[in-house]
Amino acid sequence: DADVTQTPRNRITKTGKRIMLECSQTKGHDRMYWYRQDPGLGLRLIYYSFDVKDINKGEISDGYSVSRQAQAKFSLSLESAIPNQTALYFCATSDSRTSTFGSGTRLTVV
Amino acid sequence: GDSVTQMEGPVTLSEEAFLTINCTYTATGYPSLFWYVQYPGEGLQLLLKATKADDKGSNKGFEATYRKETTSFHLEKGSVQVSDSAVYFCALSRNQAGGTSYGKLTFGQGTILTVHP
Repeated sequence: DADVTQTPRNRITKTGKRIMLECSQTKGHDRMYWYRQDPGLGLRLIYYSFDVKDINKGEISDGYSVSRQAQAKFSLSLESAIPNQTALYFCATSDSRTSTFGSGTRLTVV
Repeated sequence: GDSVTQMEGPVTLSEEAFLTINCTYTATGYPSLFWYVQYPGEGLQLLLKATKADDKGSNKGFEATYRKETTSFHLEKGSVQVSDSAVYFCALSRNQAGGTSYGKLTFGQGTILTVHP
């Protein structure tokens, strides 16, 4: 099994719908992150959490919310999806020595 | 704020050619610098890192040297293989008390590398 698992792998949703992307990890890392990847822009940080009671906004948090349900679980929600949120979303974890990324969720908002 | 700029891609090379992907950064203080690689359909993997000026990171034949005077961290490989075809990202993080931060990263835009036999 993958160290960082993202579900779903692909999702097509309609404008205005609420959608949740889920991330779970078996690394035992306290720190978890959500990034968004757009062509030509690299990855940009949406939210991050250094432990279960700690949630922080990243560079592009508008239109998104997160929930850290447990040390191993960190979910990203789009309350009302819009087409410019079409992107590849990555969850990541880290400790003092390295970081581990999931395989990504490709989200299309139509 | 912090930023990372990579050379424009895509880069297309023949097998065994020399590779350079340029990366420059803007940041205050002394960030840590990273190269990540993304193979098709996969997440990012840490390729190499350098945490202070003049450090050289290396892995799988790839190298990059942290040059504070030119704020650069160029990726090089002497002889590329078809299996090196991927997207390469340069990134930085602000160091935290107690050590390097590996997760809160600022990325460059990525460079697509294609290696032909």
